[in-house]
Amino acid sequence: DAKTTQPTSMDCAEGRAANLPCNHSTISGNEYVYWYRQIHSQGPQYIIHGLKNNETNEMASLIITEDRKSSTLILPHATLRDTAVYYCIVRPFSGAGSYQLTFGKGTKLSVIP
Amino acid sequence: SAVISQKPSRDICQRGTSLTIQCQVDSQVTMMFWYRQQPGQSLTLIATANQGSEATYESGFVIDKFPISRPNLTFSTLTVSNMSPEDSSIYLCSVALQQNSYEQYFGPGTRLTVT
Repeated sequence: DAKTTQPTSMDCAEGRAANLPCNHSTISGNEYVYWYRQIHSQGPQYIIHGLKNNETNEMASLIITEDRKSSTLILPHATLRDTAVYYCIVRPFSGAGSYQLTFGKGTKLSVIP
Repeated sequence: SAVISQKPSRDICQRGTSLTIQCQVDSQVTMMFWYRQQPGQSLTLIATANQGSEATYESGFVIDKFPISRPNLTFSTLTVSNMSPEDSSIYLCSVALQQNSYEQYFGPGTRLTVT
């Protein structure tokens, strides 16, 4: 069974914020939320991860709801280079399964000029 | 961070033959992994390449079909044996610098077409 649910595709205008939702209603207490993206013809690239607090880095922001059942990845000013498939993944930080990344189908984000 | 290279970048092979894919990392890493991405699909973990011992395979993947070697902390190979058209995929190597590392780095992938 899929541990995360994401929309199949989304469009975003260049320069605007891209908000990518992810549902992970069965997340466990020791599981983190990770986001990766895969640009066409490249390997996946790590973006950000979080447990329960909102996180921000140079690439994106991650907003996790208080009940941790869903999250939103925010690209504040989308560019054409952000066109990619975005994967939301949950996995434990340590212990069994902590090194495995289970990729779902992801969201194909198209940034429109 | 880690920089990963894979060879070959792409190949076209005949059914029944085997292809060995190489993965080279620019630094010593604890964990190395092999993934498969079938056309239009997401990534599926094939196995974890363990240094000095046999690889750990995920359900649906077996050593006879996908033998893996990992002779040191910077290098691994994946062989796709007795290929059929269903093996046409992109094969990707990834690494984690430490066992609990939150970030995995991926190679560019090897695009395999079996005719």
